[in-house]
Amino acid sequence: QVQLVQSGAEVKKPGASVSVSCKASGYSFINYGIHWVRQAPGQSLEWMGWIHAGSGDTKYSQKFQDRVTITRDTSATTLYMQLSSLRYDDTAVYYCARWYGSGNLMTFDYWGPGTQVTVSS
Amino acid sequence: DIHLTQSPSFLSASIGDRVTVTCRASQGIGRYLTWYQQKPGKAPKLLIFGASNLHSGVPSRFTGSGSGTEFTLTINSLQPEDFATYYCQQLNTYPITFGQGTRLEIK
Repeated sequence: QVQLVQSGAEVKKPGASVSVSCKASGYSFINYGIHWVRQAPGQSLEWMGWIHAGSGDTKYSQKFQDRVTITRDTSATTLYMQLSSLRYDDTAVYYCARWYGSGNLMTFDYWGPGTQVTVSS
Repeated sequence: DIHLTQSPSFLSASIGDRVTVTCRASQGIGRYLTWYQQKPGKAPKLLIFGASNLHSGVPSRFTGSGSGTEFTLTINSLQPEDFATYYCQQLNTYPITFGQGTRLEIK
């Protein structure tokens, strides 16, 4: 079965960087894309960007363009999201989610459990 | 960016009720609309994609409709496990965006 297993909670100081991993299993890794979405406390969901696991092509939200890097390791079937220059308002749960479908049937069908990132001095 | 506005933001209902949540897009998005359910401390779960397609394993009491700028999620005969927060999402245009959420609580 499809599983996305994320790395554990992180506490970082302002200005630092954080890397969150997402280990994928149960499907053909290189044939799907993975998106990263975050959710600040009590807030809605916010899309950050995505990577095609096969080609490595990426697209980022302009909001995070200069601070986020999404990569993958095909041999380890693992995706990574690195966010730099952390600010207090980057405190959130970060999710990876699998991109499924095509055309207007595109959606995020499986989600990781989330990784809490706390920015605190 | 395409802005999604959900209404209502908060909904109180009883077991067995039928409820409807609306999602309005700031510009046309065809049928590139997904609905998710999220419970506290958990990741969102896919309910409906392509505006009206029920995801595998999702009970048939959930239905979606709409196209263009107005979409609805209807839950027939509310069950205890349906009390959660619901989000719409558009995948027509980058950046992908989400509605602000509709919190459904037991009356």
